[in-house]
Amino acid sequence: KQEVTQIPAALSVPEGENLVLNCSFTDSAIYNLQWFRQDPGKGLTSLLLIQSSQREQTSGRLNASLDKSSGRSTLYIAASQPGDSATYLCAVDAGNMLTFGGGTRLMVKP
Amino acid sequence: DADVTQTPRNRITKTGKRIMLECSQTKGHDRMYWYRQDPGLGLRLIYYSFDVKDINKGEISDGYSVSRQAQAKFSLSLESAIPNQTALYFCATSDLYRGPRQDTQYFGPGTRLTVL
Repeated sequence: KQEVTQIPAALSVPEGENLVLNCSFTDSAIYNLQWFRQDPGKGLTSLLLIQSSQREQTSGRLNASLDKSSGRSTLYIAASQPGDSATYLCAVDAGNMLTFGGGTRLMVKP
Repeated sequence: DADVTQTPRNRITKTGKRIMLECSQTKGHDRMYWYRQDPGLGLRLIYYSFDVKDINKGEISDGYSVSRQAQAKFSLSLESAIPNQTALYFCATSDLYRGPRQDTQYFGPGTRLTVL
């Protein structure tokens, strides 16, 4: 059974810092890995999707990497801003369903 | 207007009551999903439907049932609610024809359900 773990569970940083969120998964037979953002009272928004054949994806200040063989992904956020405060979830697609990690709750202080 | 809507947004009910959560989408997607989210556990899949006639159990389907009334509507029912079904419930959609393994899922805003 696929298991997805995210570390840390919570993170608080001052504005302007670069930060890294970690995601690990137990079964490397995946089709893709996604990073989502969740704001309170709202649904999840997809940030980046990395196909299993890719090593990384970038969108603005966000960069996600994937090392399928070691079962790891990282989400790098450059020059963090208070508006980045949210919960970040990673999810792996190994078939017909997504398996989610528990999320990292990020707080960026002004 | 939102592409994926859920009603109600909040619901408080009592143990043993029947509850229906509804999801509608205007994205024209074939695939729809129901998840529940508990603190620190991420989202877990309850049921998913690839089209109106195709419904499948997810990881945690016990105590739940679903109905796909149309391409755009997918309802989740709790036949006899119990307190450990207190959670945040999300509906999501994805597009079959763009390849489910290449496209993301689009989520509704969630329904917060409390069972007393």
